[in-house]
Amino acid sequence: GQQVMQIPQYQHVQEGEDFTTYCNSSTTLSNIQWYKQRPGGHPVFLIQLVKSGEVKKQKRLTFQFGEAKKNSSLHITATQTTDVGTYFCAGPRGGNKLVFGAGTILRVKS
Amino acid sequence: NAGVTQTPKFRILKIGQSMTLQCTQDMNHNYMYWYRQDPGMGLKLIYYSVGAGITDKGEVPNGYNVSRSTTEDFPLRLELAAPSQTSVYFCASSYGTSGRAYTDTQYFGPGTRLTVL
Repeated sequence: GQQVMQIPQYQHVQEGEDFTTYCNSSTTLSNIQWYKQRPGGHPVFLIQLVKSGEVKKQKRLTFQFGEAKKNSSLHITATQTTDVGTYFCAGPRGGNKLVFGAGTILRVKS
Repeated sequence: NAGVTQTPKFRILKIGQSMTLQCTQDMNHNYMYWYRQDPGMGLKLIYYSVGAGITDKGEVPNGYNVSRSTTEDFPLRLELAAPSQTSVYFCASSYGTSGRAYTDTQYFGPGTRLTVL
């Protein structure tokens, strides 16, 4: 079945450093969503990208959708301790279902 | 709105016991989902429902059952619990009106942490 692969699995950064997580699919995606899960919490929707080459920003977070619509990235500039958590990408499975990547766990050292 | 609520928050079961995980949403969403989350494995879809009276299997349905008698409620039933069902279970809902390009945002409940010993 359709899968989305996410790398890295884990990243530990110093506060103020940048962070990037990547999401790759073997098939073209009509759209991609990103979610954040704080430690001990539940996934919370961040953004959806739909257009080829689309770039969206939310404060220090920059989301990109590849030109071929097979990959996406989330970049955080100057990480803060509030950024800790697991970041998931999710592609459409059909019928309003999602297939989630395994997630990237971000830890920030202050 | 309370959003999506789940009970219980935590539960320990013995092998072979049964239980029902409750999920309720007050957003009048058509679609509801059950996921399990194992460490480092992301979220796996167990069952989903597109409306009252309609349910369908996801990726990992074995050992589980669901029902959807109302728009608001989507309970997940575990029969004959096994250690492999130790996980965190999330219920989610979405409105259900997306088009071909868009997929609905999913709203998650706080989760149930289940241990089977």
